[in-house]
Amino acid sequence: AQKVTQAQTEISVVEKEDVTLDCVYETRDTTYYLFWYKQPPSGELVFLIRRNSFDEQNEISGRYSWNFQKSTSSFNFTITASQVVDSAVYFCALSEARMNRDDKIIFGKGTRLHILP
Amino acid sequence: ETGVTQSPTHLIKTRGQQVTLRCSSQSGHNTVSWYQQALGQGPQFIFQYYREEENGRGNFPPRFSGLQFPNYSSELNVNALELDDSALYLCASSLGAWGSDTQYFGPGTRLTVL
Repeated sequence: AQKVTQAQTEISVVEKEDVTLDCVYETRDTTYYLFWYKQPPSGELVFLIRRNSFDEQNEISGRYSWNFQKSTSSFNFTITASQVVDSAVYFCALSEARMNRDDKIIFGKGTRLHILP
Repeated sequence: ETGVTQSPTHLIKTRGQQVTLRCSSQSGHNTVSWYQQALGQGPQFIFQYYREEENGRGNFPPRFSGLQFPNYSSELNVNALELDDSALYLCASSLGAWGSDTQYFGPGTRLTVL
C-alpha cells in the first residue's frame, strides 16, 4: 500500500535561515507522482510542485528547491532564506499512476513550519 | 487563486442532523475530489467524481455521499452526523482522473458537530 511519512511534526527557524522539510514515501508502482502543497492559516491547499517518478532532476523555483531521490524514496523540500510568509503547514502527497479506485492520493500528516521574525 | 470555491465557509450542526456542502470547480475540470481534514492531520480522500460518475471512494461509510453536476458544481452530503465528522472539508478539481493530474483545492468548509 502507498504511504507518505513526514517525520517532522513542527519546525521553528529564525527568518533568513534555510530549512528542509522531509518526505519519505512507499509505493508498489514504478510510475507515480509526488506533490507538495502549502496550507496557510486560511486553510486552502496551495499547489507547489508535481514530480513524476521518472524525473529525478532537482528543481528550483526561486527560494524553493526540491530534492527527489528514488534510492531513498525521499522527496525533500528546502526553503532558502526563509521569510515569515513561509509560515504554514506543508504537505507531501503521493499518487500512483494506475489510480486504484480506492486510493487516489495519499497525503502525509504535514509539517507545521514557523518562521520567527 | 485556484478558481475553486466552496460554500459555506463555516457550519455548525448537531449530532444526527444532515449537511450538504457545495463546491464549484474550475471551468473545464471534469474531476472533483472531496477530502476530510481533521485537526492536525493531512487530508483524507473521501471520494472522487469524474464526469458525474463516482470514480473511487476512500474508507468512509455510505452516509457520506456526493453528486457532481454538468455545470462543474458538486455536493458532499453527510447524513446522521457524528461528533467525529467535525473537520475541514476540502474539494479539489482536476482536469482528469489520473494520478498525474494536479488537484487544485478550494478554501474548505469547516464543519463543527455539537
